[in-house]
Amino acid sequence: QVQLQQSGAELVKPGSSVKISCKASGYTFTSYDMHWIKQQPGNGLEWIGWIYPGNGNTKYNQKFNGKATLTADKSSSTAYMQLSSLTSEDSAVYFCARGVDGTYYYYFDYWGQGVMVTVSS
Amino acid sequence: DIQMTQSPASLSASLGETVSIECLASEGISNDLAWYQQKSGKSPQLLIYAASRLQDGVPSRFSGSGSGTRYSLKISGMQPEDEADYFCQQSYKYPYTFGAGTKLELK
Repeated sequence: QVQLQQSGAELVKPGSSVKISCKASGYTFTSYDMHWIKQQPGNGLEWIGWIYPGNGNTKYNQKFNGKATLTADKSSSTAYMQLSSLTSEDSAVYFCARGVDGTYYYYFDYWGQGVMVTVSS
Repeated sequence: DIQMTQSPASLSASLGETVSIECLASEGISNDLAWYQQKSGKSPQLLIYAASRLQDGVPSRFSGSGSGTRYSLKISGMQPEDEADYFCQQSYKYPYTFGAGTKLELK
């Protein structure tokens, strides 16, 4: 069965960076895009970007250029997102989600459990 | 960016009642729309993709419809386990965008 297991909650200081992980199992990691989505309380869901672990290609929401960096390790079937220059606006829950490409449609069929990142001094 | 305007923001339904949630895209999205359910403290779960296709394992009381810029999610017979937040999401153009969500409660 497909599972996306994310790393634990993070408490980080303003101005620092954090790297969170998403370990995939139950499917061929290199055959699907991995997306990252941000959720702040009361602010809904924001799409950050995707990485295709098969070749490392990435696509970002322009809003997160310079903020988020997506990488993937094929040997461990793990996707990573690094967030830099953290401010209170980055405090949120971050989800990874598998993307399914149906040619004329696209959707996220499996999601990780989410990682809460809290930025505080 | 494509704006997804979701309504209502919240609603309350009785057991067995049929409810509908609407999503209006700021431009045509060619049925490239998904609906997700998110229960309190959990991650979103896919219900519907391609506007009207039911994800495997999702109860048949959930259905999706629409075209162009207008889409809707219907729950035919509200159940206690349907209490959750519901989000629409378009994948037609980058950046992918979500509706603000609808909070559904059992009356």
